[in-house]
Amino acid sequence: DIQMTQSPSSLSASVGDRVTITCRASQSISSYLNWYQQKPGKAPKLLIHDSSSLQSGVPSRLSGSGSGTDFTLTISSLQPEDFATYYCQQSYIGPPTFGQGTKVEIK
Amino acid sequence: EVQLVESGGGLVQPGGSLRLSCTASGFTFRNYWMSWVRQAPGKGLEWVANIKQDGSEEYYVDSVKGRFTISRDNARNSLFLQMNSLRAEDTAVYYCARIRPGGHDVFEYWGQGTLVTVSS
Repeated sequence: DIQMTQSPSSLSASVGDRVTITCRASQSISSYLNWYQQKPGKAPKLLIHDSSSLQSGVPSRLSGSGSGTDFTLTISSLQPEDFATYYCQQSYIGPPTFGQGTKVEIK
Repeated sequence: EVQLVESGGGLVQPGGSLRLSCTASGFTFRNYWMSWVRQAPGKGLEWVANIKQDGSEEYYVDSVKGRFTISRDNARNSLFLQMNSLRAEDTAVYYCARIRPGGHDVFEYWGQGTLVTVSS
């Protein structure tokens, strides 16, 4: 199975900060990388699919990039509603697998 | 509006069984692959199973093969997960999810989840 590793596991940031989360796959997954946001007690929400395609309704301050094994999720200007846990997930081959999550907290 | 509503969770003893249901609305259910994804308390997300639109193909994570069965009833817009021989490590919130069309496992919409607790 493909292993997904996110970094950092958590970060503290302020409103207005630029935030970058990294996800690395144990083998090449082309661009089949998806990002989800989860708030406490809520279901995950799809943000970005296929590395860089923004899901409908997701604000443009979020963006994704990467291919092969290295990917990033960037929030250009952190807003109060962005404080949450973010998960990457590969959908290239085999069982779909998730990263361990990155918790974005208020500084 | 796409809605997925899970039910059937609860407390069950190790070795016991439970059947989860997910009722879909707001879209043509029979046109989509569907999935179950779980999350143990305080942990990350783990894909559990997928089922094709007509129920002819099923896929499972290794840890549940032979114990869990995914199924669907397109006439009732419903997805199911039959869970047998439950173990403590199956304790989790179970989410049903709609898979985005296109041939890859992108979990486009999620239900609110139902909690399964396996404990004596």
